[in-house]
Amino acid sequence: DGGITQSPKYLFRKEGQNVTLSCEQNLNHDAMYWYRQDPGQGLRLIYYSQIVNDFQKGDIAEGYSVSREKKESFPLTVTSAQKNPTAFYLCASSKGRQDTQYFGPGTRLTVL
Amino acid sequence: KNEVEQSPQNLTAQEGEFITINCSYSVGISALHWLQQHPGGGIVSLFMLSSGKKKHGRLIATINIQEKHSSLHITASHPRDSAVYICAVAGGGADGLTFGKGTHLIIQP
Repeated sequence: DGGITQSPKYLFRKEGQNVTLSCEQNLNHDAMYWYRQDPGQGLRLIYYSQIVNDFQKGDIAEGYSVSREKKESFPLTVTSAQKNPTAFYLCASSKGRQDTQYFGPGTRLTVL
Repeated sequence: KNEVEQSPQNLTAQEGEFITINCSYSVGISALHWLQQHPGGGIVSLFMLSSGKKKHGRLIATINIQEKHSSLHITASHPRDSAVYICAVAGGGADGLTFGKGTHLIIQP
């Protein structure tokens, strides 16, 4: 089955620790995205990548980092510099930037 | 930057009712998406449209480019339609999608 997976589903982190969220897709999509969702707010774009070894900052990139070494994978690291990291994180992919985006199931990160 | 407004924020209806959710945006776009988010958090793309109207089963999406407005309709609503419906727009100067805050729909049996 083709799809997009994220792991883990729930993640707990102590303040001051970096943590990496996984996103994998087997849809052969070129573009991948990371969004953050907070209660009562719309999704906001953190980072996106249109092609391997290239990525761009979104609206709220501060405190986050990404890599795109393989077409299938777009991991997101939440660093200790992110002031308010507790949120629901969604990864998405699309064939091209103007195409329908397919979303993963999300990772709920809680900082203790 | 595009501003995306959805209305209503919350909607409770009885099974069988015709449902309309509205979305308006402030700047010209290349496409508009309607998404459905279930309580567990997963998001499914329902429609992507840049003009006119699309229909899939009991769902209908329309867009008026001149008025910068789109509507999502659900005919013969069912409790399984209960979810958050999100409007998102592409283009208008943004790098990715700009999202509305969502409409929380509850269909009571």
